[in-house]
Amino acid sequence: AQKITQTQPGMFVQEKEAVTLDCTYDTSDQSYGLFWYKQPSSGEMIFLIYQGSYDEQNATEGRYSLNFQKARKSANLVISASQLGDSAMYFCAMRGLEEGNTPLVFGKGTRLSVIA
Amino acid sequence: DSGVTQTPKHLITATGQRVTLRCSPRSGDLSVYWYQQSLDQGLQFLIQYYNGEERAKGNILERFSAQQFPDLHSELNLSSLELGDSALYFCASSVGPAQETQYFGPGTRLLVL
Repeated sequence: AQKITQTQPGMFVQEKEAVTLDCTYDTSDQSYGLFWYKQPSSGEMIFLIYQGSYDEQNATEGRYSLNFQKARKSANLVISASQLGDSAMYFCAMRGLEEGNTPLVFGKGTRLSVIA
Repeated sequence: DSGVTQTPKHLITATGQRVTLRCSPRSGDLSVYWYQQSLDQGLQFLIQYYNGEERAKGNILERFSAQQFPDLHSELNLSSLELGDSALYFCASSVGPAQETQYFGPGTRLLVL
């Protein structure tokens, strides 16, 4: 079974600054995937970034990067140069990749507020 | 826009009623997942279909059922609705049953009065 922990219920960041959203996970699988999704106030879930457990390099997608520390079981999301439009809920999620049918398991989310 | 469509966007109904939520996956995606997001339970996986067949089951109540049709669209049926069923219901799709990223639709917001 997988478990995701997001310890920051809410975060504030100044516009144009970088922010790190924490995510730790627990799994007994050797092969797994880690995901971050953004949920703005309109409600949709937007895929941001993916990291595979065997990927040696940290994933990056534009202003998003995933700081993956396997030994610490952490997969923090770093958003650089924050914009007002980044204000949203952010969910860390994972799924095991060994059996093929495991669904996404989500954390409780972090609400990010970007201040002008 | 993820390419996953869900209808309706909003649904208001009464306790004891039955509703059907519809989802069309992204073009080329064979796998469909249903999730429920509520304030107290967070995001929970309900059920997965792959190419018309049930693939995995999560915390789906017996009052709920789903199916995936030959054209790959999926429907989630919720019956004997209770106040606690009020939630945001998401459909997601991926190319295959495993490993690939799941892309979410905009969700159906269900309010049971």
